[in-house]
Amino acid sequence: DIQMTQSPSSLSASVGDRVTITCQASQDISNYLNWYQQKPGKAPKLLIYDASNLETGVPSRFSGSGSGTDFTFTISSLQPEDIATYYCQQYDNLPPWTFGQGTKVEIK
Amino acid sequence: EVQLVESGGGLVKPGGSLRLSCAASGFTFSSYSMNWVRQAPGKGLEWVSSISSSSSYIYYADSVKGRFTISRDNAKNSLYLQMNSLRAEDTAVYYCARSRWGFWGQGTLVTVSS
Repeated sequence: DIQMTQSPSSLSASVGDRVTITCQASQDISNYLNWYQQKPGKAPKLLIYDASNLETGVPSRFSGSGSGTDFTFTISSLQPEDIATYYCQQYDNLPPWTFGQGTKVEIK
Repeated sequence: EVQLVESGGGLVKPGGSLRLSCAASGFTFSSYSMNWVRQAPGKGLEWVSSISSSSSYIYYADSVKGRFTISRDNAKNSLYLQMNSLRAEDTAVYYCARSRWGFWGQGTLVTVSS
């Protein structure tokens, strides 16, 4: 099974800061990577698909990059409403589809 | 508008069974693979099972293989998860999600406890 290593597990940043989260796959997954935002008590929301494509309706301050085994998720200017936990997920080839451990983003 | 609505969660004793349902609307259900994902309290997301559009391909996580059965009824626009031999570690919110992962239900809580 493909393992996804996401870091950091949590971070604290100020409003307006640039925030970066990384995800590393245990083997080449091409660009088959999603990024989600999850707020407490809510279902995950897809933000980025195929590693770098912005889901419809998602603000442009969110972006993703990478391919192969190393991926990056960026919030260019952190907003109060971005407080959430973020997850990466690989969907290369066949299941199991595995998620990263999550990154909890808080406001400093 | 795409909607996925899960139901069937609740409190069950260890070793018991439960059947979850996911009612789909707003899209051609029979054209999409579907998935179940769960989240234990305070923990991360775990993929549970997937089923192809015509039920030809079915996959399970090792943690539920042999105990859970995924199925669908395209005529009723519904997805199911039959959960048998439930364990405390199966306690979680269970989400259904459409393939391509852009649409998720609100989740249903399953609690396994004596």
